[in-house]
Amino acid sequence: AQSVAQPEDQVNVAEGNPLTVKCTYSVSGNPYLFWYVQYPNRGLQFLLKYITGDNLVKGSYGFEAEFNKSQTSFHLKKPSALVSDSALYFCAVRDTGAGSYQLTFGKGTKLSVIP
Amino acid sequence: GAVVSQHPSWVICKSGTSVKIECRSLDFQATTMFWYRQFPKQSLMLMATSNEGSKATYEQGVEKDKFLINHASLTLSTLTVTSAHPEDSSFYICSASGLATRRYNEQFFGPGTRLTVL
Repeated sequence: AQSVAQPEDQVNVAEGNPLTVKCTYSVSGNPYLFWYVQYPNRGLQFLLKYITGDNLVKGSYGFEAEFNKSQTSFHLKKPSALVSDSALYFCAVRDTGAGSYQLTFGKGTKLSVIP
Repeated sequence: GAVVSQHPSWVICKSGTSVKIECRSLDFQATTMFWYRQFPKQSLMLMATSNEGSKATYEQGVEKDKFLINHASLTLSTLTVTSAHPEDSSFYICSASGLATRRYNEQFFGPGTRLTVL
């Protein structure tokens, strides 16, 4: 069975500083990995994905993530945080060995960027 | 492209009534649609997966007679919460995937529907 862990419930970072939101996963086959952001009372907005190819993936709003197969991690990063980045971030995985489109989500990490 | 809409965006109803939520893929054919439920400050919980023209597959613990899902066309799925009770109050989010979209590995999410049962 596939699973995702986001070990931090909340991450606080000062505006202008780099940010990292952690994600580790477990799958039986090869993973497809995704990051989504959610603002209050809104649906999920896609940030970036890893399917294959380069381990460093660049996405929307200056975010990037690095796929690390040996550590089964897919941490989300941004060089310089903005107050507007404050939101709830979800990591998700799809197990290509499972034969479906089903995604498993982490519990989410609340990012607060302090002015 | 790959836009998913939900209607209504919010609904308030009395206990015992039924509520229907629509999920539409606006610019692609959604062969598979997913329905999620999200409690405050919690992650998304997959309720069911529906493939166009067939019965939905419900996750363990989800009452199929209470949460009726219909996926009658390639652009529309509906979730009906029957005989709603206050504990059904939640944020319901749908997503869609389609083999015809170039980004077929992805699910595209709707904006969500806030259901409040009084």
